[in-house]
Amino acid sequence: AQSVTQLGSHVSVSEGALVLLRCNYSSSVPPYLFWYVQYPNQGLQLLLKYTSAATLVKGINGFEAEFKKSETSFHLTKPSAHMSDAAEYFCAVSPGSARQLTFGSGTQLTVLP
Amino acid sequence: DGGITQSPKYLFRKEGQNVTLSCEQNLNHDAMYWYRQDPGQGLRLIYYSQIVNDFQKGDIAEGYSVSREKKESFPLTVTSAQKNPTAFYLCASSAVVGTGELFFGEGSRLTVL
Repeated sequence: AQSVTQLGSHVSVSEGALVLLRCNYSSSVPPYLFWYVQYPNQGLQLLLKYTSAATLVKGINGFEAEFKKSETSFHLTKPSAHMSDAAEYFCAVSPGSARQLTFGSGTQLTVLP
Repeated sequence: DGGITQSPKYLFRKEGQNVTLSCEQNLNHDAMYWYRQDPGQGLRLIYYSQIVNDFQKGDIAEGYSVSREKKESFPLTVTSAQKNPTAFYLCASSAVVGTGELFFGEGSRLTVL
């Protein structure tokens, strides 16, 4: 069984500041890891995914995440926040089956002017 | 453009009524999924289908039913047996069953009055 913990249900940053959204996972097998973004009243969109290739994964809109096996973490970062980044972000883990995809409870990102 | 279309976007129903949510995809994906989203709880899997004429229960299937008569269509019925049906419902599809890379529709918000 696997689980995902997203630390901080709400995160606020100033425009231009670093964005750091935290995700820790547990998995009994090497995991596939994902970050999805959701804008209000819309579906989720894939930001990036880790599938055992490079540990530093680059995604869309300037986001990236680093897989750290020793820390069981997959934190999402962006060097400079933009107002359009305001959304809810979900970390997800899978052992390799979409049927077993487990989502975290989400982190709402607010970007302050 | 290829994608997933959910309808209706907003739906109100009275207690005791069944309601069917539509999900259509033109991505030629074999696998389709229904998720329920509640505030602060992430996404929970209701049903999934890996191939036409076959579907499996997810983690919270009680009070819901589905069908998969065509590859592009995966409707969800919320029955009167579902005790707390007010939620945001998301349909998704994937090209490869063995990963968690999902493509989502824009969701249907059901409110029971």
